Amino acid sequence: GESVGLHLPTLSVQEGDNSIINCAYSNSASDYFIWYKQESGKGPQFIIDIRSNMDKRQGQRVTVLLNKTVKHLSLQIAATQPGDSAVYFCAENILGGGADGLTFGKGTHLIIQP
Amino acid sequence: DTEVTQTPKHLVMGMTNKKSLKCEQHMGHRAMYWYKQKAKKPPELMFVYSYEKLSINESVPSRFSPECPNSSLLNLHLHALQPEDSALYLCASSPTGEGWDTGELFFGEGSRLTVL
Repeated sequence: GESVGLHLPTLSVQEGDNSIINCAYSNSASDYFIWYKQESGKGPQFIIDIRSNMDKRQGQRVTVLLNKTVKHLSLQIAATQPGDSAVYFCAENILGGGADGLTFGKGTHLIIQP
Repeated sequence: DTEVTQTPKHLVMGMTNKKSLKCEQHMGHRAMYWYKQKAKKPPELMFVYSYEKLSINESVPSRFSPECPNSSLLNLHLHALQPEDSALYLCASSPTGEGWDTGELFFGEGSRLTVL
């Protein structure tokens, strides 16, 4: 699989490989984090979320890791498929603070090579 | 399929026109949002309505005027826009209040606005 240590706007991986997309968040008070997938011409679509009392959460083919010490979030996609091609955004929020929206990080465009 | 419906999907307007973007959800969510997204950029928050009242305005120019007629509907009225306002406008909703423990926002597919 291919991983990136710092945020990159574009990540190109071979079909079938694992992908790791990284995100640094800014607010140390944030206690809720979420990854969205946005395909071309569509709205953001929920992938997986995690609360600050956890450091790992797994879904179907996806895993989110949270490192609060360095304010870092990552999304791992196993066995990448052509349908995974999209822009991936991380977002952060504070639960219990009322409806104040999500703050989005810079996106990473995941490109799947056949 | 998204449960947040936005219309129109595409809108082209001149700088002197008045138009509106519409958003509807029937999930019982009491918070609704407008985001603006430029190409290759993340969504940026514009407005938040909570229980049909405007709770957040992120210093958006007055040529954008939001309206929340009821808990299911959210409008964005547009007047005297500039070409740089061309973008994808996303509506979202979320549960709020007691009993909800998720911060997820549910997004519509967006309205692609072009200002000539």
